Amino acid sequence: EAGVTQFPSHSVIEKGQTVTLRCDPISGHDNLYWYRRVMGKEIKFLLHFVKESKQDESGMPNNRFLAERTGGTYSTLKVQPAELEDSGVYFCASSPTRPSGGEQYFGPGTRLTVT
Amino acid sequence: GEDVEQSLFLSVREGDSSVINCTYTDSSSTYLYWYKQEPGAGLQLLTYIFSNMDMKQDQRLTVLLNKKDKHLSLRIADTQTGDSAIYFCAEMRGNQFYFGTGTSLTVIP
Repeated sequence: EAGVTQFPSHSVIEKGQTVTLRCDPISGHDNLYWYRRVMGKEIKFLLHFVKESKQDESGMPNNRFLAERTGGTYSTLKVQPAELEDSGVYFCASSPTRPSGGEQYFGPGTRLTVT
Repeated sequence: GEDVEQSLFLSVREGDSSVINCTYTDSSSTYLYWYKQEPGAGLQLLTYIFSNMDMKQDQRLTVLLNKKDKHLSLRIADTQTGDSAIYFCAEMRGNQFYFGTGTSLTVIP
């Protein structure tokens, strides 16, 4: 079974540009999460989808971030316009509807560098 | 406070035991987790413990939970160079994971 995949693995953009990150969850997982780790700090929750609906987006930092999950399969996270403080590693995770231990399965992350 | 706390660095010699500590924040957290991140890779779930347990053992890994002190630890027996990685503890509050800053474990041959 394929794990969570993310694309691209690394993105370098200039301040003010737009970047779109993609996450493909494990097939059949209704829950999809986005997290972000800014250099040296903790991994912070951004938002949670259940199928195509946003269940919780309390962690989204501001309205420059837009997440979508059309059709309830893959998800995109768009940053527009990017700022320097957006640099970090963006992780996606997925879990089945009722995980036995609440566990989430993480992708390898997208490293975003804004210059 | 709201932060899950871990020390940033730990170095051990190959063959010794490693103990990574974590202090979490919410005594009502149902599950507590340990994730491992190897260089260039994603977060790999190592193990988790249900809050009504004190200890969980899985091969070389032992998780100890002290609910009174909100303290979680991960012990790795016979640490190998392949165990070098960043280890994150996490607690689940509601549907959200709250992670520590990660402990970078270096295993010296």
